Amino acid sequence: AQSVTQLDSQVPVFEEAPVELRCNYSSSVSVYLFWYVQYPNQGLQLLLKYLSGSTLVESINGFEAEFNKSQTSFHLRKPSVHISDTAEYFCAVSEDNAGNMLTFGGGTRLMVKP
Amino acid sequence: ETGVTQSPTHLIKTRGQQVTLRCSSQSGHNTVSWYQQALGQGPQFIFQYYREEENGRGNFPPRFSGLQFPNYSSELNVNALELDDSALYLCASSPELGTEAFFGQGTRLTVV
Repeated sequence: AQSVTQLDSQVPVFEEAPVELRCNYSSSVSVYLFWYVQYPNQGLQLLLKYLSGSTLVESINGFEAEFNKSQTSFHLRKPSVHISDTAEYFCAVSEDNAGNMLTFGGGTRLMVKP
Repeated sequence: ETGVTQSPTHLIKTRGQQVTLRCSSQSGHNTVSWYQQALGQGPQFIFQYYREEENGRGNFPPRFSGLQFPNYSSELNVNALELDDSALYLCASSPELGTEAFFGQGTRLTVV
């Protein structure tokens, strides 16, 4: 069985400040790790994923996440946030590298203030 | 590569009724998964279909059932609706040997 814990339900931050959204997981088998973003009244969009190789993965819009196997974590970071980053962020794990049959965390609402 | 569409977008049903939600995946996507997202929570995996066969199921009762058709579109059926079934239902599809599952915008089901 797998589980994902997102330690913060809400993270308020001022525009242009750095942010870290925390994610810890547990699993008895090897898993792949994902971050999804959900804007209001929309579905989920893949932000980035870790499948293998370098433990630091980056998205095209400035987010990055680092896989830490010893701490079973996959925290999401951005050095400078924008108002448009305001959304719900979900960490997820899967035994499938395409991200099927995902187990999600409870989500973190990132609120970027001007 | 996007284009997963779900219908209807919103739906109101009465407790005890049955509902069918539909998902149209992009051409060539032969894997489809369904998720239930209750308000304020993360999505929960319901089941997955691959080439018209169910090949994975989450912790949901049998009154949640599904179908995948030869054109790889899919249906989620829920019988004997309960108030707790009120949620956003998300469909996601991926191609053979794909590296990403694409989500639709969901169907908001309200049970009264």
